[in-house]
Amino acid sequence: EDKVVQSPLSLVVHEGDTVTLNCSYEVTNFRSLLWYKQEKKAPTFLFMLTSSGIEKKSGRLSSILDKKELFSILNITATQTGDSAIYLCAVELNRDDKIIFGKGTRLHILP
Amino acid sequence: KAGVTQTPRYLIKTRGQQVTLSCSPISGHRSVSWYQQTPGQGLQFLFEYFSETQRNKGNFPGRFSGRQFSNSRSEMNVSTLELGDSALYLCASSLWTTSTDTQYFGPGTRLTVL
Repeated sequence: EDKVVQSPLSLVVHEGDTVTLNCSYEVTNFRSLLWYKQEKKAPTFLFMLTSSGIEKKSGRLSSILDKKELFSILNITATQTGDSAIYLCAVELNRDDKIIFGKGTRLHILP
Repeated sequence: KAGVTQTPRYLIKTRGQQVTLSCSPISGHRSVSWYQQTPGQGLQFLFEYFSETQRNKGNFPGRFSGRQFSNSRSEMNVSTLELGDSALYLCASSLWTTSTDTQYFGPGTRLTVL
């Protein structure tokens, strides 16, 4: 059964800390891995990863994919209270054109 | 517990037609949200229903509508289909309607408009 597992499920840190969110997957016919930030009801797209070892960066956020070990990490450096959100990881499959979401990591940044 | 189910999984329509997609949430969940996923735009929020009432609406034209039934099942309707409506439509359910609630996504319905 295809699955996407995110850890930790929740995380509370202080402003300025660096956090690492994990996403592991067990799927067949992997196409891409996606990261989203969900603050209210509409997830905001962060990154799409298709190749191993190539880091994608956007400001204080970065992400990398390891297709051999089947996981991805999302790093946030110098966290701010505005980073508080649920971070979703999803994997797109070539087979059946499916997309599978993890349950998300709930990140709370304390001022 | 069964997950979120969406039917049909695939749909091919022509321009001008209308389509209805269905979503059955996880048993006990009362909130259903709909999203459109396209390669260029990512995930875009369509609307959210809670207890048969639309609670939130995204920035989509009136051709996109939805409803929720008393058993929490939801349908989404798109009228006068356009080529740009081709996308993966995702449904997600959660227990309540707060932004802090975990959403569980269905597998999606792939709509192709020819």
